[in-house]
Amino acid sequence: DGGITQSPKYLFRKEGQNVTLSCEQNLNHDAMYWYRQDPGQGLRLIYYSQIVNDFQKGDIAEGYSVSREKKESFPLTVTSAQKNPTAFYLCATTGGAGYGYTFGSGTRLTVV
Amino acid sequence: KQEVTQIPAALSVPEGENLVLNCSFTDSAIYNLQWFRQDPGKGLTSLLLIQSSQREQTSGRLNASLDKSSGRSTLYIAASQPGDSATYLCAVRQSYGQNFVFGPGTRLSVLP
Repeated sequence: DGGITQSPKYLFRKEGQNVTLSCEQNLNHDAMYWYRQDPGQGLRLIYYSQIVNDFQKGDIAEGYSVSREKKESFPLTVTSAQKNPTAFYLCATTGGAGYGYTFGSGTRLTVV
Repeated sequence: KQEVTQIPAALSVPEGENLVLNCSFTDSAIYNLQWFRQDPGKGLTSLLLIQSSQREQTSGRLNASLDKSSGRSTLYIAASQPGDSATYLCAVRQSYGQNFVFGPGTRLSVLP
């Protein structure tokens, strides 16, 4: 059953702590994306990767980091430099030009 | 820069009504347009994907049309049900660059 899996579903971060959100896909897609969604707001692009070992900053990359060591995996680290990390984080993947997006179920991150 | 807008921002209708959600985009250089549904606290579920060469797509009670030259798409929902209550987002995949640009969404409430 092909799809995209995000974990954990809920995550709590203490001040000054780095946390990593997992995103795994078995659709054999090259491109993967991380979005942030705040209440009542639209989706904002954090980082994206079109191929293994390569990634680009999106609109709000400050305070975040990513890696793409495997085609199936695109983890997102929320660093202590991100001053307002509480949000809903969504990972997505897509194939070639004619494909649409497939989204994961999201991770809700809360600062405690 | 591509901009995507959705009208109305919110809509409340009685059960059984047919309704139309609107999506507009400023740059017609797109590969495709995708309609999503998002339930509270959940990820995005793809409803329909329309390629730039297509005029419409249908799935069950849903019909999406695309007029690329005028920068418009509509999502038609027939015989609405309370289970259709959700936020509906449209996104366009630009033919330059690799990313989708999302609209802000329409929040739909179908009252029993």
